[in-house]
Amino acid sequence: EVQLVETGGGLIQTGGSLRLSCAASGFTVSSNYMSWVRQAPGKGLEWVSVIYSGGSTYYADSVKGRFTISRDNSKNTLYLQMNSLRAEDTAVYYCARVEMTPWLQPNWFDPWGQGTLVTVSS
Amino acid sequence: QSVLTQPPSVSAAPGQKVTISCSGSTSNIGNNYVSWYQQLPGTAPKLLIYENNKRPSVIPDRFSGSKSGTSATLGITGLQTGDEADYYCGTWDSSLSAVVFGGGTKLTVL
Repeated sequence: EVQLVETGGGLIQTGGSLRLSCAASGFTVSSNYMSWVRQAPGKGLEWVSVIYSGGSTYYADSVKGRFTISRDNSKNTLYLQMNSLRAEDTAVYYCARVEMTPWLQPNWFDPWGQGTLVTVSS
Repeated sequence: QSVLTQPPSVSAAPGQKVTISCSGSTSNIGNNYVSWYQQLPGTAPKLLIYENNKRPSVIPDRFSGSKSGTSATLGITGLQTGDEADYYCGTWDSSLSAVVFGGGTKLTVL
């Protein structure tokens, strides 16, 4: 069964750092394109970052320079390192596998993990 | 303010049909594929429609998608109370070089 399980969320102070993990089963993270999408409380979905199978990474402007997406092939796990956290980063963070178009643009997201809540507060 | 515009809410009676619109521009919907996601209360989003009008095998044919110009539409027929959820459209935006989502539409089955 294809499954994603996120961990690592919690309450963190403004300016702090946190690393989220997303353990995959049923497929190989390194052979796929993977993404993080977040959802602030009561709000809609916001794309955060993507890592290509070749290792290239891309970010939303709102997190560029503060967040880093990476993976550990031996653990089949995706990560999101979040630094200089702000109140507006408070959200449920989902990891998802990304299907790409033939011209290598993100096409659709499936499956999604259950999400992990990050709360940034002073 | 989301790049893609969806109505905040729609409602219909059980057994009826409903459509949810998603409006964008030539930099996103007009030149890229659209996908749709269902988010039941307290759960993660789930893929409903990809590449404008294709359904994963596990999604019933009560759900359909279409695209015309810079707008896309999700249709749901034979509404059930279990369809009450938030629905999101998403696509790539070539100008922003980013994935963009609509603000979401809350479906109420009266």
